[in-house]
Amino acid sequence: DAGITQSPRHKVTETGTPVTLRCHQTENHRYMYWYRQDPGHGLRLIHYSYGVKDTDKGEVSDGYSVSRSKTEDFLLTLESATSSQTSVYFCAITPDRPLSYNEQFFGPGTRLTVL
Amino acid sequence: AQSVTQLGSHVSVSEGALVLLRCNYSSSVPPYLFWYVQYPNQGLQLLLKYTTGATLVKGINGFEAEFKKSETSFHLTKPSAHMSDAADDFCAVSEVGDYKLSFGAGTTVTVRA
Repeated sequence: DAGITQSPRHKVTETGTPVTLRCHQTENHRYMYWYRQDPGHGLRLIHYSYGVKDTDKGEVSDGYSVSRSKTEDFLLTLESATSSQTSVYFCAITPDRPLSYNEQFFGPGTRLTVL
Repeated sequence: AQSVTQLGSHVSVSEGALVLLRCNYSSSVPPYLFWYVQYPNQGLQLLLKYTTGATLVKGINGFEAEFKKSETSFHLTKPSAHMSDAADDFCAVSEVGDYKLSFGAGTTVTVRA
């Protein structure tokens, strides 16, 4: 158990509203990731972080922003939610230890529905 | 950039039968390779991984996978399926020095009694 929690676990919102999802870890690992999961696409990387205030884009970053002001928290924001952003969102971390080999541990997910 | 192809979005097997899930990757150098399992309404859990060394790797729940560099493949097998193996399975690849994973589209495994 890598001590990863996500909040909220479920959210229903309306098109055009801002939404922020939170990922919290208890072990101060540097690398954190946000993915979205959609049928037929597996998991696709939205953004990732390699330290406080150090973030970079993934393959599907349009419409999303992130922030990391503390090691333990990685926030994903949808500035103006659209129906195409209805998805399940997963947070992940890579452990800061020798021989982790880029292995990632995942949170329980947040199911977001945009009406 | 690496990519992952999982052949077959759905696999149905009888309980006790062999489970075979196919994964091919494209990468310019031998990568790190992973299989993850996802049970309904849960996050992803690591089944097994290949990093270096022995090309046949064993994981949890009786699964194993073989890295074949010449075929750029990392197929997942289990000799005898159990009802609890019903899940979605994802193959993923990462290049050495790159902290990102690329995932395949996933394979849904159904086990028939």
